[in-house]
Amino acid sequence: GAVVSQHPSRVICKSGTSVKIECRSLDFQATTMFWYRQFPKKSLMLMATSNEGSKATYEQGVEKDKFLINHASLTLSTLTVTSAHPEDSSFYICSAEQFFGPGTRLTVL
Amino acid sequence: QKEVEQNSGPLSVPEGAIASLNCTYSDRGSQSFFWYRQYSGKSPELIMSIYSNGDKEDGRFTAQLNKASQYVSLLIRDSQPSDSATYLCAVKGSRGGTSYGKLTFGQGTILTVHP
Repeated sequence: GAVVSQHPSRVICKSGTSVKIECRSLDFQATTMFWYRQFPKKSLMLMATSNEGSKATYEQGVEKDKFLINHASLTLSTLTVTSAHPEDSSFYICSAEQFFGPGTRLTVL
Repeated sequence: QKEVEQNSGPLSVPEGAIASLNCTYSDRGSQSFFWYRQYSGKSPELIMSIYSNGDKEDGRFTAQLNKASQYVSLLIRDSQPSDSATYLCAVKGSRGGTSYGKLTFGQGTILTVHP
């Protein structure tokens, strides 16, 4: 099946710093990608829809100024968590079509 | 009513048995349905997709879709301990709906296969 990669797989940062997560579709082009967040033992929560060449669409309750999404090409979307705080610690997963990336575990100290 | 609802778990079956996972959905216009397996601490892994009424088999997995009843299921034959995971049913939103193009997930069913 199609492959979606994410980088980094794990990141630890200090409170107040920004963290960028990359999501790539390796063998297909994706005009739309999705970003999810998942807390331990909880369901996947859709954060936003990343649209190539246009602004992302955020789900209700997700701060667009805190979670910056850029989809500059048909194979790359990035999620930047700005001014990260410990409550932003979570598992961030992207998807393209019906395929999920391996996820990025963010820990904010 | 939840948009996508899975049979409540957890589900425990002995090794070698058939595990049956069920899912109902509310968007009558949906055309794409998926089953994912998610191990603890990992991202969801696509195991089956189904788009037409009837059965679709892939190895030990069989997905069944009945659009009239708005029902999709997953059967796992010869269950193995390595099948122990959370299984997620996902439905792609139909055109014209508020969730067009997005996947809506059920709450997940935890499956345990015991030796």
